Formats: sequence, C-alpha cells, structure tokens
Amino acid sequence: GAVVSQHPSRVICKSGTSVKIECRSLDFQATTMFWYRQFPKQSLMLMATSNEGSKATYEQGVEKDKFLINHASLTLSTLTVTSAHPEDSSFYICSASRAAGEGDTQYFGPGTRLTVL
Amino acid sequence: GNSVTQMEGPVTLSEEAFLTINCTYTATGYPSLFWYVQYPGEGLQLLLKATKADDKGSNKGFEATYRKETTSFHLEKGSVQVSDSAVYFCALSARSSASKIIFGSGTRLSIRP
Repeated sequence: GAVVSQHPSRVICKSGTSVKIECRSLDFQATTMFWYRQFPKQSLMLMATSNEGSKATYEQGVEKDKFLINHASLTLSTLTVTSAHPEDSSFYICSASRAAGEGDTQYFGPGTRLTVL
Repeated sequence: GNSVTQMEGPVTLSEEAFLTINCTYTATGYPSLFWYVQYPGEGLQLLLKATKADDKGSNKGFEATYRKETTSFHLEKGSVQVSDSAVYFCALSARSSASKIIFGSGTRLSIRP
C-alpha cells in the first residue's frame, strides 16, 4: 500500500506555455499533499502544502500565481506551472500523507522532469 | 529553527563493505526521523523511520537508531551491494509543523563491484 503516482513522468514544453502535473494517491486517502522541487544533485525544497478542499500554503519565495496548486479530492492534487520559462526546468516531486494512522510519514511520487525550451 | 545535517558525499565503497552515513539534527521537542533513498531518475522512497528516542528503524539491511542525547540518526549497513548505489536523504518531521519534512542535503553513495 501507500503508492503515489505522478503524470507525466517527463514533459518538454516551449517557453510561455503552461504545464499541469498530476499527483495521485492510488491506494489511500491523502488529506495532505506536498509539492517539492529538486535541482540537479541537490536536496528537495518544499514549495507548498495542500489540504483537500482548501487553498495551498506556499513556502516563502514561491510564487503562488506561478505555481498553481489544486487539491480537489483526497486522491488528487495538481501543480500547474504557468507561463513556464527555462529557469522553471527542474524535477518536481509530490508526496502524500495518509488521512489517518501514520501521521507524519510522507509517501513520494516518482517525480516529473520538466524541461522548458 | 529545525535543520538536518548529513555527511557530504560522494561516498564510494567496495561491495560488502560496512557503511555509515552520519546525520545529526536540530529540533525542538521530539521529531520523527527518516531516511529516504533516491535511485537514479526516480522519486524518493522511505527507507526507514523512528518516531521516538532509542527507536531503531530497519529495512533491507539498513539500520538507524534515534539518539536524542547526541541528536543523531546515523544510517548503517553491514555489507553493501552494488544495488545500494543511490542518494540517501536524512530528514525530520517536527510534530508541531503539520507533517512538514525538512531534508538534509543528501549523500550520494556509489558501490564498486
């Protein structure tokens, strides 16, 4: 159990376009989902925390109008990178916490590699 | 604030060698501690965790013990394999921060056949 998927796994887009990344918890309900960004050979940086049915909480320095997060159900959260630019190229990883039981353990998706040309 | 400091890599070992990756933390209260592993091109997988002092997390031959007196959670394995080559992240989650995880910088491990 505790499988998290992301789609797509890899996306290449032109500068100025918007890209949507989906994160799904496949076999459990996730009240909280997290979005991270990882630059090459670096650690994960938390971008935002989202709870089902409410607005996401963004970390300092993350533009909420640029990185739109929607957590419409207990199994799905989406991250939309709006008007993407080359500097947005990165590895985006989501994670999810169960609704009950394991409290603070997060289960991570396989990541989405975004390349903006 | 809360933070995690882990051994800088890369670490290169021969197969069957003993592995230690050091991790220390700074946190108020009693955080949960984790080791995550990231294989090339993939997301993170939870390797093991411990939620209170003196707990030992273990999985796939890896172990780490929550040491509150030294604020450490060092990762060990008695005999590494080539398939253990990956990046290892030490992390903590403070109970007061709604599951927010703070990661260390990661340690890249390479095992030679």
